[in-house]
Amino acid sequence: DTGVSQNPRHKITKRGQNVTFRCDPISEHNRLYWYRQTLGQGPEFLTYFQNEAQLEKSRLLSDRFSAERPKGSFSTLEIQRTEQGDSAMYLCASSLATYQETQYFGPGTRLLVL
Amino acid sequence: KNQVEQSPQSLIILEGKNCTLQCNYTVSPFSNLRWYKQDTGRGPVSLTIMTFSENTKSNGRYTATLDADTKQSSLHITASQLSDSASYICVVINTGGFKTIFGAGTRLFVKA
Repeated sequence: DTGVSQNPRHKITKRGQNVTFRCDPISEHNRLYWYRQTLGQGPEFLTYFQNEAQLEKSRLLSDRFSAERPKGSFSTLEIQRTEQGDSAMYLCASSLATYQETQYFGPGTRLLVL
Repeated sequence: KNQVEQSPQSLIILEGKNCTLQCNYTVSPFSNLRWYKQDTGRGPVSLTIMTFSENTKSNGRYTATLDADTKQSSLHITASQLSDSASYICVVINTGGFKTIFGAGTRLFVKA
C-alpha cells in the first residue's frame, strides 16, 4: 500500500500524559499537513510542511503541540500534557506542490484523553 | 471571514434515489473548490476539484457544479448506493498562499 499511513490508529491516554503520532506520507510528496477533526465537524488545519520546513501553524496549535518533519519524509505530532479537549481524530495528508494539488489523507489517529 | 457552509447537515435517502448537497462559501480570493467523501473512521478522499472558470465536473455518479459569482457549489449524487453513506465535505482553497477551509460536511445515509 503506497498511500498515507498513520500510527497508531487509536490512542487512549490519561490527562497530563504526552502522546506522539506518526505520519508516513506518499513517498514522492513534498507537502505534509496535519489536521484535527472532532465529531460532526470538518477537519481543522493545524500545520503544514514543505519538505522539512514548517511553513505555517494555526493558532489552534498551542504551545503543548509540536510537529516535526526532520528529513522531509515522515512527520511526528506530539501533544504534551494532554487535556480532555484534545480528544479528536488527528489526520495527516500529503501532496505534491503543483497547481490544483490534491491532498491525500491518511486514516487518522483517534485520540481519547480520559 | 473565510467560511464554508454546507447544507443539509444530514440527509436520509432510499437506495437508487438522487440527492443534491449544497455548499456556500465566503472564501476570497478564491482558487479552487473540492468535494471530499469521508467514510466513518477514515480520512477524506477527493471526489472533484474545480477552479473558478469551471461550472461542472463529474466523477462517475458524482457531479459537482460551481457558480463563482454567487459563491455556491453543489454535489449531485445519481442512483445512490448503500456505499454512498458517508460524510461529504466541501473544501475551498484561496489564492496567494496556503489557506484550506473545510465545511462541516453533510452526513448522508442511504437506506435499502
